[in-house]
Amino acid sequence: DGGITQSPKYLFRKEGQNVTLSCEQNLNHDAMYWYRQDPGQGLRLIYYSQIVNDFQKGDIAEGYSVSREKKESFPLTVTSAQKNPTAFYLCASSMLLHYYNEQFFGPGTRLTVL
Amino acid sequence: GQNIDQPTEMTATEGAIVQINCTYQTSGFNGLFWYQQHAGEAPTFLSYNVLDGLEEKGRFSSFLSRSKGYSYLLLKELQMKDSASYLCAVMIYNQGGKLIFGQGTELSVKP
Repeated sequence: DGGITQSPKYLFRKEGQNVTLSCEQNLNHDAMYWYRQDPGQGLRLIYYSQIVNDFQKGDIAEGYSVSREKKESFPLTVTSAQKNPTAFYLCASSMLLHYYNEQFFGPGTRLTVL
Repeated sequence: GQNIDQPTEMTATEGAIVQINCTYQTSGFNGLFWYQQHAGEAPTFLSYNVLDGLEEKGRFSSFLSRSKGYSYLLLKELQMKDSASYLCAVMIYNQGGKLIFGQGTELSVKP
């Protein structure tokens, strides 16, 4: 079955620690995205990548970092510089056709920083 | 700047029809998506509009007017399982397929 996996589903960390969220897709999609969702709010773009070894900042990149060493994988690191990291994190991927870009989402990781 | 507005919440009765509106002001519009998201789950695709008019898909329909910067999602024969958040998202031209999301509309379907 093709799809996007994120792990773990729930993650707890102490304040001041870096944490890496995993995102893997086997849909052969070129583009991958990371979003953050806070209660009662829409999705805000953190980082996105259109090809391997390249990525761009989204609207709220401060305190986050990413890498794209393989087409299938786009891990997100939440660093200690992120002031309010507790949130629901969603990874997505798409074929990135210039005229259409349906994004497929993973199940999400809920990060709680204590 | 980019701005997308949706009502925060709506309530409707099982079996009824509900219309969720979305207005947008963005640069480089290249299509509008509607997603459904149940609490704690991933958003799932419902519809896509790039040309003016109505797209119908079963109980769900979506309308777009590009000149007015306006879209709506119409849900017919409401079921309890339709209780969810509905997200409007605009695709921005020439920005790597970037989607700008509205805050979402929380729909509660009552018996």
